Amino acid sequence: AQRVTQPEKLLSVFKGAPVELKCNYSYSGSPELFWYVQYSRQRLQLLLRHISRESIKGFTADLNKGETSFHLKKPFAQEEDSAMYYCALKASGSRLTFGEGTQLTVNP
Amino acid sequence: DGGITQSPKYLFRKEGQNVTLSCEQNLNHDAMYWYRQDPGQGLRLIYYSQIVNDFQKGDIAEGYSVSREKKESFPLTVTSAQKNPTAFYLCASSRPGTDNYGYTFGSGTRLTVV
Repeated sequence: AQRVTQPEKLLSVFKGAPVELKCNYSYSGSPELFWYVQYSRQRLQLLLRHISRESIKGFTADLNKGETSFHLKKPFAQEEDSAMYYCALKASGSRLTFGEGTQLTVNP
Repeated sequence: DGGITQSPKYLFRKEGQNVTLSCEQNLNHDAMYWYRQDPGQGLRLIYYSQIVNDFQKGDIAEGYSVSREKKESFPLTVTSAQKNPTAFYLCASSRPGTDNYGYTFGSGTRLTVV
């Protein structure tokens, strides 16, 4: 069975500092990985997908199959990045398996 | 304005009662999902439906039931058999197999047992 683990429930950084949100997964096949974000009082929304290899709002994430990781990174955090972040895995079919989430706080 | 609508926003239930949460989408998405969001546990899948008149159990289906009679609608019933129903419930939809694959989420329903 597939599983997604986000080891940090809370992460706090200062504005301008680099930030890395960790995500590890377990799945025997070829996964598709996603990051979703939930800003305060807003809906959960897709941030980025690994197959797009894109940078959204300065965030990037690289799929490392050897380490089964999909960490989310941003070189210079901004206060508006404060939110709950979820890593998700699409194994078979259309269903997504989500991690426990990491609450990121960017302090001024 | 296309989107996914959940109602009500807040719902209170007495012990032993069944309640139904509404989820409607006008995105023409084939697949719909129900997740439960609890602090520290992330989102856990309750039920999902990939096509009208068909649905599958997710990871925590016990105490819940669903129907998918129309493409636009996927209501969730929380039955009295659900031992710990107080939670935030999220509905989502998607169009599997497309290049822009991703879930669109509703704004959620907060259910409280009183």
